[in-house]
Amino acid sequence: TQLLEQSPQFLSIQEGENLTVYCNSSSVFSSLQWYRQEPGEGPVLLVTVVTGGEVKKLKRLTFQFGDARKDSSLHITAAQPGDTGLYLCAGARNYGQNFVFGPGTRLSVLP
Amino acid sequence: GAVVSQHPSRVICKSGTSVKIECRSLDFQATTMFWYRQFPKQSLMLMATSNEGSKATYEQGVEKDKFLINHASLTLSTLTVTSAHPEDSSFYICSATRFQGLASLFFGPGTRLTVL
Repeated sequence: TQLLEQSPQFLSIQEGENLTVYCNSSSVFSSLQWYRQEPGEGPVLLVTVVTGGEVKKLKRLTFQFGDARKDSSLHITAAQPGDTGLYLCAGARNYGQNFVFGPGTRLSVLP
Repeated sequence: GAVVSQHPSRVICKSGTSVKIECRSLDFQATTMFWYRQFPKQSLMLMATSNEGSKATYEQGVEKDKFLINHASLTLSTLTVTSAHPEDSSFYICSATRFQGLASLFFGPGTRLTVL
């Protein structure tokens, strides 16, 4: 049973388009993190959200944590080829004693 | 951001040999580190949780005698793949938890293991 679901799992779009990736669970997390991973490298932490309803912006990326702290979304505005990669969400349980990962969303932005 | 290093980044070995991979937290102490395995175009598969000063906790289906984990200090965990076989070829990634108000997980750059 996947504790964290991500949708879509694959997404191919043209440069300049907007997109949203969703991360959903039936469990409550103390915090949730988003990562981007490029081929042959380790995942890089983009953001950590902690408070229900929290919204964080990182340039063209907007992250939102659901009010109940069970789900999150990542919105990218005007996607660029450099945004291509595997996006992973991870929920922290027991205040960081362990983390649950989603299956990932593989994004391809075509020039 | 916090830095986690892994060494080596790539290793090629013959079948039957053992390979050790090091994971270091460079600018923080990590009581907990995690080891993952990743197959091409797939997400991370947690292998084990490495706890400083105690035995690692392995996920179901992961052979602890095959994948030896040692977390001897607050900044170093090692994964040894014993008697490696071609099916052990994979991308191995470690991560470490930093607690600074809240818990954040930082990943190493990964180690590509190829067993011939």
